[in-house]
Amino acid sequence: AQKVTQAQTEISVVEKEDVTLDCVYETRDTTYYLFWYKQPPSGELVFLIRRNSFDEQNEISGRYSWNFQKSTSSFNFTITASQVVDSAVYFCALSTQGGSEKLVFGKGTKLTVNP
Amino acid sequence: DAGVIQSPRHEVTEMGQEVTLRCKPISGHNSLFWYRQTMMRGLELLIYFNNNVPIDDSGMPEDRFSAKMPNASFSTLKIQPSEPRDSAVYFCASSLLGFGSPEQYFGPGTRLTVT
Repeated sequence: AQKVTQAQTEISVVEKEDVTLDCVYETRDTTYYLFWYKQPPSGELVFLIRRNSFDEQNEISGRYSWNFQKSTSSFNFTITASQVVDSAVYFCALSTQGGSEKLVFGKGTKLTVNP
Repeated sequence: DAGVIQSPRHEVTEMGQEVTLRCKPISGHNSLFWYRQTMMRGLELLIYFNNNVPIDDSGMPEDRFSAKMPNASFSTLKIQPSEPRDSAVYFCASSLLGFGSPEQYFGPGTRLTVT
């Protein structure tokens, strides 16, 4: 069975602080994909990034970076110099070929960035 | 390019009434997913289609829920009769499965309130 755990339910930071959102996944499949989605207060779900299980390279996109470590089954998301507009619920998700590529979501981490 | 389109954006109805939610996936995508989001249960996959064929409807809560995809550009989720516990945000998402880009793109959601 596939499972995604986001242990941090809520995080509150002050603007310009760095913040890391944790994601731990479980799967027996050797081929899988990991995702992060953002859900701002307006409610839509925005796709941020996808990584596949064969590519452990970390990724940086502006103030966002992602650290994928198969050894610890983690796919953490760091926001550098956070801004108020980063306030949202962030979901980590997993899909596997054995799971018919259905997305399994974590319960989300609510990030509040205060001015 | 247009994203996933959902209508209506908001629906308020009385218990016992029929509700129909509509979705137009991204052109060229071969898979469509219906999700429900509530505070208590988070994001739940209700059903998904691949090439217009229902693949997995194990998440459909009960017989009051039904979904159709008559063609590649349109899907409906129907609740009949509706109940107050059906109140939630319903998301439609689409993706291109089987081509190495399994990320799902979500519509803006339909907020359903059943009184």
